[in-house]
Amino acid sequence: GENVEQHPSTLSVQEGDSAVIKCTYSDSASNYFPWYKQELGKRPQLIIDIRSNVGEKKDQRIAVTLNKTAKHFSLHITETQPEDSAVYFCAASSGGYQKVTFGTGTKLQVIP
Amino acid sequence: GAVVSQHPSRVICKSGTSVKIECRSLDFQATTMFWYRQFPKQSLMLMATSNEGSKATYEQGVEKDKFLINHASLTLSTLTVTSAHPEDSSFYICSARHFTSGGATDTQYFGPGTRLTVL
Repeated sequence: GENVEQHPSTLSVQEGDSAVIKCTYSDSASNYFPWYKQELGKRPQLIIDIRSNVGEKKDQRIAVTLNKTAKHFSLHITETQPEDSAVYFCAASSGGYQKVTFGTGTKLQVIP
Repeated sequence: GAVVSQHPSRVICKSGTSVKIECRSLDFQATTMFWYRQFPKQSLMLMATSNEGSKATYEQGVEKDKFLINHASLTLSTLTVTSAHPEDSSFYICSARHFTSGGATDTQYFGPGTRLTVL
């Protein structure tokens, strides 16, 4: 089955700096890569996703890149704000039912 | 985005009892729903894939007789934890796949989760 690794597990940045979270996946059949933000005690919220036919996608301060050859994908958050503090999960999905395998999570702390 | 509700949000039960958790897609039909379990400070672990009108597909290591899943309609899936024990205490989260023909939409939306505490 799919295996998704995520680094780093914790990340502290100063407000206004950029944050980068990296993930690798093992199943070359994976074709959909969502990123979720989860605040303490709450549900994961989809923040951005990318499909395998695209190398990069941007939405305001958030961008995701995908390297299919290397099976890497990354989340980039620019101009970080304290409200960006949360746990971020990458995920990979394939197949007709889109079963999603999650990474281990990155706890991001943005220091004011 | 699409809305998924989950009920109850919190439940406390005695060891040996059964607990039912409901997951509903409120503004779309979901032929596929997923059930996850999340321990504190850990990632979401997929327990099973619930398909409307058919049997659920369980992940390796998940006891199907203990975690009963029913997906009786396109907007409702239920997870019943049978004969619950303290080690079953966890945060259970469902998600519903919002898919439109042609693939223009194919996204999972999560419910708010259910905090189960077994005494």
